[in-house]
Amino acid sequence: ELKVEQNPLFLSMQEGKNYTIYCNYSTTSDRLYWYRQDPGKSLESLFVLLSNGAVKQEGRLMASLDTKARLSTLHITAAVHDLSATYFCAVDFAQGAQKLVFGQGTRLTINP
Amino acid sequence: SAVISQKPSRDICQRGTSLTIQCQVDSQVTMMFWYRQQPGQSLTLIATANQGSEATYESGFVIDKFPISRPNLTFSTLTVSNMSPEDSSIYLCSVETLSSYEQYFGPGTRLTVT
Repeated sequence: ELKVEQNPLFLSMQEGKNYTIYCNYSTTSDRLYWYRQDPGKSLESLFVLLSNGAVKQEGRLMASLDTKARLSTLHITAAVHDLSATYFCAVDFAQGAQKLVFGQGTRLTINP
Repeated sequence: SAVISQKPSRDICQRGTSLTIQCQVDSQVTMMFWYRQQPGQSLTLIATANQGSEATYESGFVIDKFPISRPNLTFSTLTVSNMSPEDSSIYLCSVETLSSYEQYFGPGTRLTVT
């Protein structure tokens, strides 16, 4: 079964702190996506990770991919309130056909 | 990136009726997809809209319930047929960009069935 699991599902943190969201998936894939969704909005593309060891950074967010461990992480550095949102990882199990299987989402709340 | 629009943005429909959702992209794309996001849940792929051939449906979704059209490389429609309250969801189209391997999502259509 194709499964994508995120951990934690809910995260409340203080501004200025660091934290990591984990995304585990069940079988081989070399393409992983991270998205952000604000309440009532659509999905905003954050990162596409295409190979083992890939690391991408944008502002306070950094994503990495370990295909051998079937694990991706989204690290938040010195969190600010504007990063409050739901974050989804998604995996393309179809070898490039982009049929994405999504994780459950991590609802992140950053308190001032 | 691709700019994607959907119509309608939201609708409230009666049980037993059908609704057709339109998805328009500002550039030609090979692959278009339709997803469903039930309230407070994650996204589930309904089908891949193929230009010039029938859509490819994922497990649990059938053509009679969710007929899809893809008349050209910039446009697709999804119809939700014989609706029930369980169909209340956000329906999103997305497109693949071969140049960057990114997949972009439209703004979504929020459907409520009463």
